[in-house]
Amino acid sequence: AQKVTQAQTEISVVEKEDVTLDCVYETRDTTYYLFWYKQPPSGELVFLIRRNSFDEQNEISGRYSWNFQKSTSSFNFTITASQVVDSAVYFCALSEVDQQAGTALIFGKGTTLSVSS
Amino acid sequence: ETGVTQTPRHLVMGMTNKKSLKCEQHLGHNAMYWYKQSAKKPLELMFVYSLEERVENNSVPSRFSPECPNSSHLFLHLHTLQPEDSALYLCASSLAHLANYEQYFGPGTRLTVT
Repeated sequence: AQKVTQAQTEISVVEKEDVTLDCVYETRDTTYYLFWYKQPPSGELVFLIRRNSFDEQNEISGRYSWNFQKSTSSFNFTITASQVVDSAVYFCALSEVDQQAGTALIFGKGTTLSVSS
Repeated sequence: ETGVTQTPRHLVMGMTNKKSLKCEQHLGHNAMYWYKQSAKKPLELMFVYSLEERVENNSVPSRFSPECPNSSHLFLHLHTLQPEDSALYLCASSLAHLANYEQYFGPGTRLTVT
């Protein structure tokens, strides 16, 4: 079973629109961490945010905001007033502690966001 | 240099060639990772090194051979690859191999096997 699901494969918006990228995860751990990464065309994944399972406070950083809801196992990412530079692939990831193998960062398949001017 | 660097950025090799990918991190981290990113697939973790010791090997074919001579450098040695091994190979590092530490990625090596 897929542990991190990003149901939206591709999203296209026009500049200044708000856009929400969905992420649903599955875990049996009580302690876990959630991440969002951005992968622009250059290829390098850029770390955006980390959230631990005990902190359900939403977070805002400039035009970016994240909504973490344990009740629905979701960690959604909203970009307000999108810009062309936001065009990238966005990955949601889950980090669990596996007793045997140590930690593992499990990525979703990514959502490709295209912002046109 | 800052962050995580990878060389070469692009590599084309035949199935009988031997080549190596290099990764260097300038962040003082103790854990390093190799990932494979193929089209339409999630990132696949290949190898993990913590304090220069391999701690994970996720059923990767033996034609991929990692090497971590010190905590700042990581290599991926390639030999007799198959066309399906064509992908973006990403290196990452983190402060420690623990669940709460984010990973920092390099720009990747785009590998094409002909």
